[in-house]
Formats: sequence, structure tokens, C-alpha cells
Amino acid sequence: RKEVEQDPGPFNVPEGATVAFNCTYSNSASQSFFWYRQDCRKEPKLLMSVYSSGNEDGRFTAQLNRASQYISLLIRDSKLSDSATYLCVVMNRDDKIIFGKGTRLHILP
Amino acid sequence: GAGVSQSPSNKVTEKGKDVELRCDPISGHTALYWYRQSLGQGLEFLIYFQGNSAPDKSGLPSDRFSAERTGGSVSTLTIQRTQQEDSAVYLCASSSPGYEQYFGPGTRLTVT
Repeated sequence: RKEVEQDPGPFNVPEGATVAFNCTYSNSASQSFFWYRQDCRKEPKLLMSVYSSGNEDGRFTAQLNRASQYISLLIRDSKLSDSATYLCVVMNRDDKIIFGKGTRLHILP
Repeated sequence: GAGVSQSPSNKVTEKGKDVELRCDPISGHTALYWYRQSLGQGLEFLIYFQGNSAPDKSGLPSDRFSAERTGGSVSTLTIQRTQQEDSAVYLCASSSPGYEQYFGPGTRLTVT
């Protein structure tokens, strides 16, 4: 089993819709979780950290399920500018950071 | 404040030449990471520094690749005898331990 797994997509979603994607991780001792976004030919940028109680930032909601070892990202009222690749990131206790391969999202006008 | 910077932004080199890529992390960040990314692919971890030491070199693809970090700040990734398959974007990121990473803009390496 890969350390961090994501559905590569692409997810093709009409503008204004809600979209969600999950990421699973294999190391139960992982301690920190993040979502990054990467635009074409650009470096990854932090979208949001993921906290145990779940957290929201505007249209974005992140959830962590430690029992099932997955994190999720929900995007409400999607915008054309949300089109990007979303990377799931897991940090272990030794500060080793594992990136998922990313989920491609296309918002359609 | 200043983010992570990398130089050069683009490098074209001939097969067989050596190249050096530089990363200036965010001031105060003790952790520094190197990745590479081929077009349309995910991030490939290369090496991680905590201070000047590299506890994890597991991602270096071959002994042609080496990296060092001096003064707990600047890091250099060296690729010797470059091959065409080394062509990629090389990304550097820094962080405080346990916290999120911040990436530089990358160095696009093309080996002809």
C-alpha cells in the first residue's frame, strides 16, 4: 500500500458545484496533515492545514478521520480559479513529509 | 517577508556536464527539502536536511546526485555527469520542524 494515496482524477465539475476528494494514508502514527494546491508549471502552495476537529476556510473544508486514516477536502460553490491539482500531504513524527500524487480538478464554465 | 528562493530559474546543460542548483530557505527555517517533478508527474522526494545534517537521503536517484547545506541555511544540489532523464523541475522547500512547508519557484533543468 502506498504511503499516501489520492484519486488522480481528473474531476470535471461545473462552476458553482460542490466537489470533495479524499486521501488515504498508511502510517497510523502520522501527526500532521495538509492540503496543497499546485497550478500548472507552478510550485505547490499551502491551501490549508487539517486539524483533528476539522476546519473551514471560506469555501474550503478539511476533515481528518484518524480511525479510517483518511483526510478529505470539500470545495463549495466552486470557481473557475479553483482548477488546479490538489496535493494531500502527511507528516510523520520524524518530520518526514509524504506528498500524494495529486488530484486534478477542472471547473467547467 | 522573503520566501524561499532558488537559482537559477532555468538551466540548460549538455549531457555529461555537472550542474549546481541553489536554494535559499526562509530565514529561521531549520528543515529544508529537495524534490523534483517531471512534467505532468507528482513530486519525487530527493533529500531532507535538519540543520546541516541530512537524516534522509533515501530519495537521491543515484550517486551522481549529492546535496549539502552549510550554516543551516543555503543548500546546494549537485548533479554530476547529467543525463537526459535528469531533466525536470527541481523544487526546494523549507519549514520549521512540524510545520507546513513553503516552496521556492523551482529550477527548470533541461539536459540536451
